[in-house]
Amino acid sequence: DTGVSQDPRHKITKRGQNVTFRCDPISEHNRLYWYRQTLGQGPEFLTYFQNEAQLEKSRLLSDRFSAERPKGSFSTLEIQRTEQGDSAMYLCASSSVGGPYNEQFFGPGTRLTVL
Amino acid sequence: AQSVTQLDSQVPVFEEAPVELRCNYSSSVSVYLFWYVQYPNQGLQLLLKYLSGSTLVESINGFEAEFNKSQTSFHLRKPSVHISDTAEYFCAVSERDYKLSFGAGTTVTVRA
Repeated sequence: DTGVSQDPRHKITKRGQNVTFRCDPISEHNRLYWYRQTLGQGPEFLTYFQNEAQLEKSRLLSDRFSAERPKGSFSTLEIQRTEQGDSAMYLCASSSVGGPYNEQFFGPGTRLTVL
Repeated sequence: AQSVTQLDSQVPVFEEAPVELRCNYSSSVSVYLFWYVQYPNQGLQLLLKYLSGSTLVESINGFEAEFNKSQTSFHLRKPSVHISDTAEYFCAVSERDYKLSFGAGTTVTVRA
């Protein structure tokens, strides 16, 4: 078990371009979460999956954002037509289910800079 | 909906001195409470959590936090800090077993 991994770690893009990030959760975890963290703020919830089903999306997730988890393992987060306001750290976390609370384990994040 | 306020954005402290990081939350229902730590260039790590039971919770590296329902607070304390405690600390709440709401974070800088 190597923990949650994210790729790439850094992405610089020009305004208007599309970007895609990948998250690989801890192998036995069936829940996967995406958060966004802007400078000087704490992470904000974007969306989460249980297995391949996307169960909740935040209002922060505009139509330009789409997340998938096609086989219930890794997940991708795509941002279309990027804007400068999309510059942030995108965090992925995973957890198991079955207890009163299941700890979320976070990846190192993907830092997006939109020029 | 829940929200979290961390009252201090920066806390400088000398090595071996005590530190307290303040966290207040608002929620209309019972919540789970957490402190996460983020060391430079690393991901968020859970430091400690309150789910139920004893209102005083402890971590393995000497931090403790006390849940105060009447004051809706979950302050984090350590009686004697080390240089290695330099990090950003986030308070978080969850009304259910999935979505975390974080505060803005407190940067702790420990100086020799």
